[in-house]
Amino acid sequence: DAGVIQSPRHEVTEMGQEVTLRCKPISGHNSLFWYRQTMMRGLELLIYFNNNVPIDDSGMPEDRFSAKMPNASFSTLKIQPSEPRDSAVYFCASSLLAVSYNEQFFGPGTRLTVL
Amino acid sequence: GENVEQHPSTLSVQEGDSAVIKCTYSDSASNYFPWYKQELGKRPQLIIDIRSNVGEKKDQRIAVTLNKTAKHFSLHITETQPEDSAVYFCAASRLTGGGNKLTFGTGTQLKVEL
Repeated sequence: DAGVIQSPRHEVTEMGQEVTLRCKPISGHNSLFWYRQTMMRGLELLIYFNNNVPIDDSGMPEDRFSAKMPNASFSTLKIQPSEPRDSAVYFCASSLLAVSYNEQFFGPGTRLTVL
Repeated sequence: GENVEQHPSTLSVQEGDSAVIKCTYSDSASNYFPWYKQELGKRPQLIIDIRSNVGEKKDQRIAVTLNKTAKHFSLHITETQPEDSAVYFCAASRLTGGGNKLTFGTGTQLKVEL
């Protein structure tokens, strides 16, 4: 298995532009998580999906952020308009819903820089 | 919601010494406590986890202990090696089968010096 796939790996954009981050979870996994990591705030959960349905989006910082999961093998995180304070590494992770364990497998991350 | 505190934020040890990282959690219903290791520029990866029905778990040089009464758990690394240098995150979750959200601690930067 190729693991969780994220694209792009690096994104540099200017303030005000729309940014779309993409994630392909591990085949067969039915939970998907979006995280943001910064030095100041650490690893923050933004939103997660179970069986393609958003369960908890309380971590989404503001209306500029939106996430979708149209099918079991694809998710997007969109920022519109982007701001310099959105600069961070964004991780996508997937796991298998289970009551006995909960290992989350992280993708390589997307490093976003907003100028 | 759950709140996880982690200490220390940085830890420097000599190669061969032991390292201990401690976390506390607030939600008494949490029953799953994983530890993730993140090397510089890499993704977090699970290294060990413990469920609330056990008090200790070991895997070679790493071990985790859990005190449910006090709501704290710790990571112990023995005989540290340079490749143990990384950021370590603790986390807490309720295993429900209906959505297992992890709440992470703020991380501990471990440096193993030669």
